[in-house]
Amino acid sequence: AQSVTQLDSQVPVFEEAPVELRCNYSSSVSVYLFWYVQYPNQGLQLLLKYLSGSTLVKGINGFEAEFNKSQTSFHLRKPSVHISDTAEYFCAVIMDTGRRALTFGSGTRLQVQP
Amino acid sequence: DAEITQSPRHKITETGRQVTLACHQTWNHNNMFWYRQDLGHGLRLIHYSYGVQDTNKGEVSDGYSVSRSNTEDLPLTLESAASSQTSVYFCASSAGVMQPQHFGDGTRLSIL
Repeated sequence: AQSVTQLDSQVPVFEEAPVELRCNYSSSVSVYLFWYVQYPNQGLQLLLKYLSGSTLVKGINGFEAEFNKSQTSFHLRKPSVHISDTAEYFCAVIMDTGRRALTFGSGTRLQVQP
Repeated sequence: DAEITQSPRHKITETGRQVTLACHQTWNHNNMFWYRQDLGHGLRLIHYSYGVQDTNKGEVSDGYSVSRSNTEDLPLTLESAASSQTSVYFCASSAGVMQPQHFGDGTRLSIL
């Protein structure tokens, strides 16, 4: 079975500082990886995705993530955060077999402080 | 613009009642999904559909049912609501399995 682990439930950071949100997955088959963001009282929005090709993927709002197959990780990074980046971030995976539905991590709350 | 809408946004009901949450999308997507979101669990898949007349169970399907009679709608029914089903429910749709899912704004359901 596949699973997704987000290692930090909360990440406080000061404005304009860099941030990394960690995500590890477990799967015995190929996977496709996604990061979603959820602002308060809203649904989820796609930040970026990795399907194939370059392991460094760029998304919206200056975020990027790197797929590392050997470490089964897909960490999200931003070099300089803004107050408006305060939100909940979810890593998600689809296995390339079987049900092919998203499995989400438990989420990381990014709190950007002035 | 295409969108996905959920209704109601908030609902309070009693245990044992039947409850139906609506989800309507104008993306013309074949794939539709229902998730529940609980603190510490992220989003967990309840049911999903890959097209009209197709429905499948997710990881937390007990006590829930769905039906897909057209492309636009996937209503979620709680046959006999239980307090453990108090949660925020999200509907999503996508054009293909590997394509991004578009989410509604959620329904906050409280069962007393």
